[in-house]
Amino acid sequence: AQSVSQHNHHVILSEAASLELGCNYSYGGTVNLFWYVQYPGQHLQLLLKYFSGDPLVKGIKGFEAEFIKSKFSFNLRKPSVQWSDTAEYFCAVNPINTNAGKSTFGDGTTLTVKP
Amino acid sequence: DTEVTQTPKHLVMGMTNKKSLKCEQHMGHRAMYWYKQKAKKPPELMFVYSYEKLSINESVPSRFSPECPNSSLLNLHLHALQPEDSALYLCASSQDPSGQETQYFGPGTRLLVL
Repeated sequence: AQSVSQHNHHVILSEAASLELGCNYSYGGTVNLFWYVQYPGQHLQLLLKYFSGDPLVKGIKGFEAEFIKSKFSFNLRKPSVQWSDTAEYFCAVNPINTNAGKSTFGDGTTLTVKP
Repeated sequence: DTEVTQTPKHLVMGMTNKKSLKCEQHMGHRAMYWYKQKAKKPPELMFVYSYEKLSINESVPSRFSPECPNSSLLNLHLHALQPEDSALYLCASSQDPSGQETQYFGPGTRLLVL
């Protein structure tokens, strides 16, 4: 079975600060990787995803993430956060082939951006 | 239309009640999912339907009974629930269940079991 670990439970930043949220996964096979965001009072939505190819992927709202296969990591980054980035961020893995469809989410990181 | 809709938005039920949650998508997606999310916790997968057939059941108690009447609809029938079943129930869909497609989430049904 796969597992996902997000190291930061709660991150507090000031506007314009840089952001990096850690995500590590454990799974013996090939996975697809996702970052989802849940803004206060809104539903989960996709920020970005990695399937194959360039390990640096760019998502919406200036977010990017880098897949480092050797470290089983998929960290989320943003050079300059805004107050509107305050939200809950979830890393998720989907195995392909065996157990396809069995998404596993990390525990989430609450990001609070102070204006 | 990239929307997944869920009804009702809120539901309060007693432990002896029978109720149903509904989910609908019109994106032509062939995989649909039920998740349970407790406050400040990640979504936990409950069921996956693939081409209208139940493909994954994550050892969910039988008091939760999923149903997929057609490719656009997904129901979750609830019976004899416990207070600890109170949570946000999320529905999602994806193009297919391969794990390579983005899941689109609905807003959820917030369930309170008294």
